[in-house]
Amino acid sequence: NAGVTQTPKFQVLKTGQSMTLQCAQDMNHEYMSWYRQDPGMGLRLIHYSVGAGITDQGEVPNGYNVSRSTTEDFPLRLLSAAPSQTSVYFCASSLTGAEKLFFGSGTQLSVL
Amino acid sequence: KQEVTQIPAALSVPEGENLVLNCSFTDSAIYNLQWFRQDPGKGLTSLLLIQSSQREQTSGRLNASLDKSSGRSTLYIAASQPGDSATYLCAVQGGTNAGKSTFGDGTTLTVKP
Repeated sequence: NAGVTQTPKFQVLKTGQSMTLQCAQDMNHEYMSWYRQDPGMGLRLIHYSVGAGITDQGEVPNGYNVSRSTTEDFPLRLLSAAPSQTSVYFCASSLTGAEKLFFGSGTQLSVL
Repeated sequence: KQEVTQIPAALSVPEGENLVLNCSFTDSAIYNLQWFRQDPGKGLTSLLLIQSSQREQTSGRLNASLDKSSGRSTLYIAASQPGDSATYLCAVQGGTNAGKSTFGDGTTLTVKP
């Protein structure tokens, strides 16, 4: 049972490049979410989804896009990377959004 | 807007000591509260989840309590061990931000042998 899988683990981008962070879960969870973690600022919610086809913004959505075409996958897209997006990104899922949250191992992103 | 505060930011104790970590939140209309552990360079692992209707949860040497009316939770760790050294974060779900979790900044615990 893999749980929540994030790829890649590390990524370096140049300013203006685009990329997609992948997140997949095999627990049939309806709720999936993306967080970024920065020193001194804790974990902040970027976007979340309560089911396939449904997404909503979190606390810091600007510069990021998401879609949820299947229950299993919830990719996070950076359209035009900026140095302010240098962070560690975590994907998390739970059964319906009000239960135990399961986290992936994170993606460390550097934007130069 | 829900705000979650954890005090202290860092704590160092000798092995074997019992300790309490604190978490407070501003909006008491929550669905649940979770305590997580994060090791350096790793993701978060859920330790305990307390539903809004519950007062406490226990798992091994860990006991978490919830006082929703006062907006407070505590994580009690008994007989601390060096392997307990990590950052502990609390998070609340629901309230005015239904479906979203709001995290505290964490308490970094060091247990000295």
